[in-house]
This record gives sequence, C-alpha cells and structure tokens, in this order.
Amino acid sequence: EVQLVESGGGLVQPGGSLRLSCAASGFTFSSYAMSWVRQAPGKGLEWVSGISGSGTNRYYVDSVKGRFTISRDNSKNTLFLQMNSLRAEDTAVYSCAKTELRWAGWFDPWGQGTLVTVSS
Amino acid sequence: DIVMTQSPDSLAVSLGERATINCKSSQSVFYSSDNKNYLAWYQQKPGQPPKLLIYWASTREAGVPDRFSGSGSRTDFILTISSLQAEDVAVYYCQQYYSTPTFGQGTKVDIK
Repeated sequence: EVQLVESGGGLVQPGGSLRLSCAASGFTFSSYAMSWVRQAPGKGLEWVSGISGSGTNRYYVDSVKGRFTISRDNSKNTLFLQMNSLRAEDTAVYSCAKTELRWAGWFDPWGQGTLVTVSS
Repeated sequence: DIVMTQSPDSLAVSLGERATINCKSSQSVFYSSDNKNYLAWYQQKPGQPPKLLIYWASTREAGVPDRFSGSGSRTDFILTISSLQAEDVAVYYCQQYYSTPTFGQGTKVDIK
C-alpha cells in the first residue's frame, strides 16, 4: 500500500522558514515525480511545486519562486520542501502527492498533510 | 496559466438522483499528439485529502464506483454521479495537467 506521511509544519512568524518532509513507502519512490499541493483553511487546492523522479527537474508556482525549494532523497524515500521568507498567505495544509505521468500529471495518492501557519 | 472554472459552486441532490458538475478550462487541455484530454477529477471529504476519481477526462481510477463518470473534451468537461449515495457528499475538484497544474474552485455536493 502506498503511504505518504508529511511532517515539519507548525507556527512560524512572517519572514521565517520551515522545512517540510514527506516519507514515502509502498512504491519505487525514485520512479515517480512528486508534488506539493496546499490548501488554505476553507479554500481550494493549489499546486505549489513538483520534482522529477531523479530530482533533476523542479517546478514551482509563480507565487513561491525564489522562496521555496523542492528536493528529494531517493536513498531515504523522502521528499522535502524548504520554505523561506514565509508570508501570511502561505498559511495552508501542505500535502505531498505521488504524481503520475510526469511532473505535471495527476496526483494519487495524497498524504494527510501538515499545517503551516504564518502569523506573528 | 490555465484557469479552471467549475459550476455550480454547490448543489443539493436527492438520494438516488443524478448530480452533474461542470468544469471549463480557459484554453484547450486536449493534446493532439496523443489524442488525450489532460484533465482529472477528485473527491474531498471533510478532514481528508483529495481522492483521485478520474484521469484522462474519462478513465475511472481503480476501485472508484461506476456511478462516477467523466466526459467532455478540449475546454468543457462534466463529472456525473449517476445515482447519488450518502457517502458521495463531498467537494469535487477538476484539475488540468496539460501545463502547470491548476484546479477548479471546487463544487460542494450535498443531499437534498
């Protein structure tokens, strides 16, 4: 069974940093692109970032370019999202998702997510 | 970016009746080289992450009940629940993966 478990969320002040992790199991991690998708409280879904299976290619939504960095450690089956210069509008539940087809494919499955709250 | 617009924002349907959700993209998500529409549908229940229902606009994910079906092409798509069950109460999202992924705003489905 494919499992994705996120960690690393919490309360951070504006301008601060957090590093999210996503531990994957149940599939050949290095063979699949992975993504981060966020959902602000009571709002819809927003794709944040994607990374190819090898980690060579990385993609970001415009609003986080230059502030967030996606990476992966295929030896440890773990996906990361380094978030710097955080803003109030980054407050959301961040979920990792196994991405089919390529870096921009459909997402299946999703982890339960980790809540990031940016507030002073 | 491709903008995805769903309608209605919410709907209430009697148990056993049909529910229809529309999704419109700001540009075509049909890729002529492989003759496929790059569109997926998800179901999200309260407190849970989204669950994939359909990809390639009409291919049902394994284990998804056959009362769920997807149709449409290029810019206009439909998710149909043929006979609404109580467990189908959820928010439904469309998503294009033709380019940088984007989602519709969601459609909330309730029981009338």
